[in-house]
Amino acid sequence: SQQGEEDPQALSIQEGENATMNCSYKTSINNLQWYRQNSGRGLVHLILIRSNEREKHSGRLRVTLDTSKKSSSLLITASRAADTASYFCATDAFGNEKLTFGTGTRLTIIP
Amino acid sequence: GAVVSQHPSWVICKSGTSVKIECRSLDFQATTMFWYRQFPKQSLMLMATSNEGSKATYEQGVEKDKFLINHASLTLSTLTVTSAHPEDSSFYICSARSWADQPQHFGDGTRLSIL
Repeated sequence: SQQGEEDPQALSIQEGENATMNCSYKTSINNLQWYRQNSGRGLVHLILIRSNEREKHSGRLRVTLDTSKKSSSLLITASRAADTASYFCATDAFGNEKLTFGTGTRLTIIP
Repeated sequence: GAVVSQHPSWVICKSGTSVKIECRSLDFQATTMFWYRQFPKQSLMLMATSNEGSKATYEQGVEKDKFLINHASLTLSTLTVTSAHPEDSSFYICSARSWADQPQHFGDGTRLSIL
């Protein structure tokens, strides 16, 4: 089964609003990453947060990690139409190079 | 930086044909490359991990003889779908990583349709 479960499965918001997506995982991790996938395309790496970090920023993106709850959130501020995509979290464990992907959130930004 | 090129982007072929997909890291050396399969509106499922110069490690349930993986150089890995059948139709995505603890960078995927 998937390591990560993402919530919500789908999200539609107005342009300019903030979008928040959540990811929960089951076992201890080394890193957690967020990726974006536009329809029919490959994945674009957004941000990596290590298990000893609690928050990370990159432009309009803010990622938090709570290892006690085994959860992470991705916040996109001031959303744009171009942010419309699917967003996946992915985790890897210590000593295991493989990524396990969450189920994804389909984000739609309404102009 | 960290660009991964995947070719072809889409292919349509007859049942029984073998299809080769290339994955190249253009501006970095990839010690490890990964091959994924993605069904419509679903997440990515890892098929195999390949390290340069060694045999690929396949995930449980993935047929080694059906999906041949070669990683002969630090910038190129290939996936060959042998004797493809309609059930092999899917979106195949590769990724590459320079070394451990670095992000995986993904190609744009190959949409394979077997008639």
